[in-house]
Amino acid sequence: GEDVEQSLFLSVREGDSSVINCTYTDSSSTYLYWYKQEPGAGLQLLTYIFSNMDMKQDQRLTVLLNKKDKHLSLRIADTQTGDSAIYFCAESYRNNAGNMLTFGGGTRLMVKP
Amino acid sequence: DSGVTQTPKHLITATGQRVTLRCSPRSGDLSVYWYQQSLDQGLQFLIQYYNGEERAKGNILERFSAQQFPDLHSELNLSSLELGDSALYFCASSRGTGIQETQYFGPGTRLLVL
Repeated sequence: GEDVEQSLFLSVREGDSSVINCTYTDSSSTYLYWYKQEPGAGLQLLTYIFSNMDMKQDQRLTVLLNKKDKHLSLRIADTQTGDSAIYFCAESYRNNAGNMLTFGGGTRLMVKP
Repeated sequence: DSGVTQTPKHLITATGQRVTLRCSPRSGDLSVYWYQQSLDQGLQFLIQYYNGEERAKGNILERFSAQQFPDLHSELNLSSLELGDSALYFCASSRGTGIQETQYFGPGTRLLVL
């Protein structure tokens, strides 16, 4: 199977930018996703990027993709206390006649007021 | 709200028992996926169904089984439960099947096996 790696923890001050990093291993074309999980809640889709793109911006979120290094990052501008959550990077790949997501271990973001 | 619903929200049972988790996909979605989230294994893919047929299988135990019904809702059956089966079980859905399909997740069912 594929491996997706993330750092465990990130702490930032309110108003600063947060950058959450992820590395993936699939060498073929794929889609990469960012999900957010708040305590006791499900996974909320934040954004996604196709592996032939370099960047995608969506309001306060910017996704950067370095295909050579298989490195993906999620930048949250003007981080707010409501952004405190666990962020998961996921890679989509084919499995038999279907598809599946492989998730990283999640990065816990703590935003200090 | 993703539009994916899961019931029950919480489930407490004993070892050796059998439970059924239910999922209703978003309107118009034909694919349903099941994932398990546990402290030691993280988020792991279990199985995918598309329009009633099994399409992909992950690290799903033989004690676990799933099906998708003609109305497209899905059930995950867990039997001979062990303490280690305690986890959060997520269902997700997408329009079709393929790596480009965005998966939308339900709120999960938290299973506690005592």
